[in-house]
Amino acid sequence: AQTVTQSQPEMSVQEAETVTLSCTYDTSESDYYLFWYKQPPSRQMILVIRQEAYKQQNATENRFSVNFQKAAKSFSLKISDSQLGDAAMYFCAYMAGTASKLTFGTGTRLQVTL
Amino acid sequence: DTAVSQTPKYLVTQMGNDKSIKCEQNLGHDTMYWYKQDSKKFLKIMFSYNNKELIINETVPNRFSPKSPDKAHLNLHINSLELGDSAVYFCASSQHPGGEGYKNTEAFFGQGTRLTVV
Repeated sequence: AQTVTQSQPEMSVQEAETVTLSCTYDTSESDYYLFWYKQPPSRQMILVIRQEAYKQQNATENRFSVNFQKAAKSFSLKISDSQLGDAAMYFCAYMAGTASKLTFGTGTRLQVTL
Repeated sequence: DTAVSQTPKYLVTQMGNDKSIKCEQNLGHDTMYWYKQDSKKFLKIMFSYNNKELIINETVPNRFSPKSPDKAHLNLHINSLELGDSAVYFCASSQHPGGEGYKNTEAFFGQGTRLTVV
């Protein structure tokens, strides 16, 4: 069974600084997708970034980038120039290539301070 | 335009009652889901439908019955509600990744329904 582990229940970062959220996963599949979702207090689930396992290049979306280490089964999220609006729960998620479900980690609550 | 919409946003009901949550997506996706988020924020798949057919049922009690009248709709009916059913229920949709090549597979979520059973 696939599992996703987020070992940091809470993280804090100062505005304009950089923070990295960790995620590891376990799978025997070779074809899969990885995602980071953000859940602000409004509880809406918002896709932050996605990575296809076959791509060696790390995905980047503006201030958000990932460090995808396939051999280590690691998928960390880096947020640069943190903003107050980045404060939220962040969930790492995995989906096997032909599956029809996301497996989520337990989430990391990110606080952004002035 | 809301991509995935679910109603109601909030639902407070007594134990033993039967309730339904409705979900609609206008993204043209072929796969829809129900996820449950518990009080510790843990998200877990409940059901997955592809082209109106049930393809995943993750050991959910029989009191929960999803229904998909068409590809764009997936409703969740819950019988004999229990205190432990209190949670946030999310509907989501995506395009199934199976088939030739890689497709956009990210799931788009509704705004969630907070169900409180008293």
